[in-house]
Amino acid sequence: SQQGEEDPQALSIQEGENATMNCSYKTSINNLQWYRQNSGRGLVHLILIRSNEREKHSGRLRVTLDTSKKSSSLLITASRAADTASYFCATNDMRFGAGTRLTVKP
Amino acid sequence: GAVVSQHPSWVICKSGTSVKIECRSLDFQATTMFWYRQFPKQSLMLMATSNEGSKATYEQGVEKDKFLINHASLTLSTLTVTSAHPEDSSFYICSARPLRLWGVYGYTFGSGTRLTVV
Repeated sequence: SQQGEEDPQALSIQEGENATMNCSYKTSINNLQWYRQNSGRGLVHLILIRSNEREKHSGRLRVTLDTSKKSSSLLITASRAADTASYFCATNDMRFGAGTRLTVKP
Repeated sequence: GAVVSQHPSWVICKSGTSVKIECRSLDFQATTMFWYRQFPKQSLMLMATSNEGSKATYEQGVEKDKFLINHASLTLSTLTVTSAHPEDSSFYICSARPLRLWGVYGYTFGSGTRLTVV
């Protein structure tokens, strides 16, 4: 079963702009992870945020977590065409949200 | 480190035949592996959780006799699609959780298997 929904389902931006994706989940969590998937490929782990953390950074990625709202957001700053992919959140029981398809136009 | 190898990357089979997909952790031991199914432009649907040395835990609605999972060692889990039908055509992906969590505490995914049943 799915854990929740990503918002938006699809996002198209110009290179250099920031991209924000949101994820909601249903159950209590120990951590939440964000993954990236290029078309027809496996998933690559991007970042993990623990339930006692509110914000985490990794390079151009910034993740926030609001456990009271059961939601998380992934911000990609200064986007590049190579960031074009689908992005998914997953709870610690490894159930995934619906994903956001990000297209970054050069 | 933390590489998962999944084979085959694609397979075409005839209806009624069985197909085995392998998921190997190359440089770590994985007590738990996850099997997913993904339809085009959709998310990953968790099919089952595979635990080394014990029976897999299947998600509701997944036929355990149809999708046989064997996790015989700490580095290998297999998914066998039995008596395959065209509706089983999909992208199957495995994921492994290291015995000891790595620095980024993430899970590692195989590259996926595209199954086409004709």
